[in-house]
Amino acid sequence: AQKVTQAQTEISVVEKEDVTLDCVYETRDTTYYLFWYKQPPSGELVFLIRRNSFDEQNEISGRYSWNFQKSTSSFNFTITASQVVDSAVYFCALGGANSKLTFGKGITLSVRP
Amino acid sequence: KAGVTQTPRYLIKTRGQQVTLSCSPISGHRSVSWYQQTPGQGLQFLFEYFSETQRNKGNFPGRFSGRQFSNSRSEMNVSTLELGDSALYLCASSFSSGSYSGANVLTFGAGSRLTVL
Repeated sequence: AQKVTQAQTEISVVEKEDVTLDCVYETRDTTYYLFWYKQPPSGELVFLIRRNSFDEQNEISGRYSWNFQKSTSSFNFTITASQVVDSAVYFCALGGANSKLTFGKGITLSVRP
Repeated sequence: KAGVTQTPRYLIKTRGQQVTLSCSPISGHRSVSWYQQTPGQGLQFLFEYFSETQRNKGNFPGRFSGRQFSNSRSEMNVSTLELGDSALYLCASSFSSGSYSGANVLTFGAGSRLTVL
């Protein structure tokens, strides 16, 4: 069975602070994909990043970066210099051998001006 | 390029009634997935359709059903509504190949918020 744990439930930061969102996953699949989605108040989940299980190279894309470590089954996501518009619920998700995604419970990020 | 469109956006029903929700995927996307989102259970997978066939199903009772039409539009139906069915129902489409894949990037609609009284 697949499982995604987002231990943080709510995070509040002041604008321009860096913030890291944690994600730990469990799967028996050897090939799998990890995602981060963002859900603003409008309700529509928006895709942010995807990583496959064979690529542990960490990257930076604008203000976003992610740290994928298979040894600890973690896929953490960092927003640098946070902005008020980053306020949303962030979901980590795991895609395995079938076509369904298993989501974590989400982290509510509030960025205060 | 139009996004994923879900209708209706909001609806109120009473226990025992049934409801049908509609989803129009992004043009060219052949896979449509449905998720239920509640504060307590989070996002849970309902089912996925590809080329008019249900390809995968989550752990929901038979009261939850769906279908996909030849134009890839999808509907889901919930019969004999219960209070616990109150939720945001999200539809997502993807440009999926014919094989199973957990790699698909899903594009979500804004959801249909169902309240059962």
